[in-house]
Amino acid sequence: GQNIDQPTEMTATEGAIVQINCTYQTSGFNGLFWYQQHAGEAPTFLSYNVLDGLEEKGRFSSFLSRSKGYSYLLLKELQMKDSASYLCAVREMGAAGNKLTFGGGTRVLVKP
Amino acid sequence: GAGVSQSPSNKVTEKGKDVELRCDPISGHTALYWYRQSLGQGLEFLIYFQGNSAPDKSGLPSDRFSAERTGGSVSTLTIQRTQQEDSAVYLCASSPRGLLSGEQYFGPGTRLTVT
Repeated sequence: GQNIDQPTEMTATEGAIVQINCTYQTSGFNGLFWYQQHAGEAPTFLSYNVLDGLEEKGRFSSFLSRSKGYSYLLLKELQMKDSASYLCAVREMGAAGNKLTFGGGTRVLVKP
Repeated sequence: GAGVSQSPSNKVTEKGKDVELRCDPISGHTALYWYRQSLGQGLEFLIYFQGNSAPDKSGLPSDRFSAERTGGSVSTLTIQRTQQEDSAVYLCASSPRGLLSGEQYFGPGTRLTVT
């Protein structure tokens, strides 16, 4: 089984930077994903890490340390539209295939 | 191109009734997933279909829940004798391949309310 922890809520100011941490425990790690979900909408894919290090994609970056069971999502130059929930999800290796286990999500509120 | 579609978008049903939720995945996607999300919570995995392989049903919460995927495309999630705790948003997702691909494309969800 898996245990995925991320903070419930964070608040930041427009233009600032916010870092959302995610820790996980898994028996067979095979990738970590970040999704963004606006209220009342479906989650949309943001990033994917399977090797250690930083993946940068515009204003968003995601970091992974497999030895520490740790990832973070970094949001730079925050905009009001970035107010959303950010979901960390871990894929586990195995015959079951591509099943993702999601954390509870971090609600980010961007204030002017 | 067309994304994942789900129907109905909203469903209100009385406790004890059966409901069917439908998912149309992106054409050509071989993997299909069902999740549910309670208010303010993360996504809870329910079931996963990959091609012609036996589905992974490990997330189904009880035997009242079942799902089918006909012809490797459309899927139906059935909840029998609904209970109030079944109220949630039911999300369907698809991805191009099961084992190697990671990104899952989500549909808009069906909001189920059991009264």
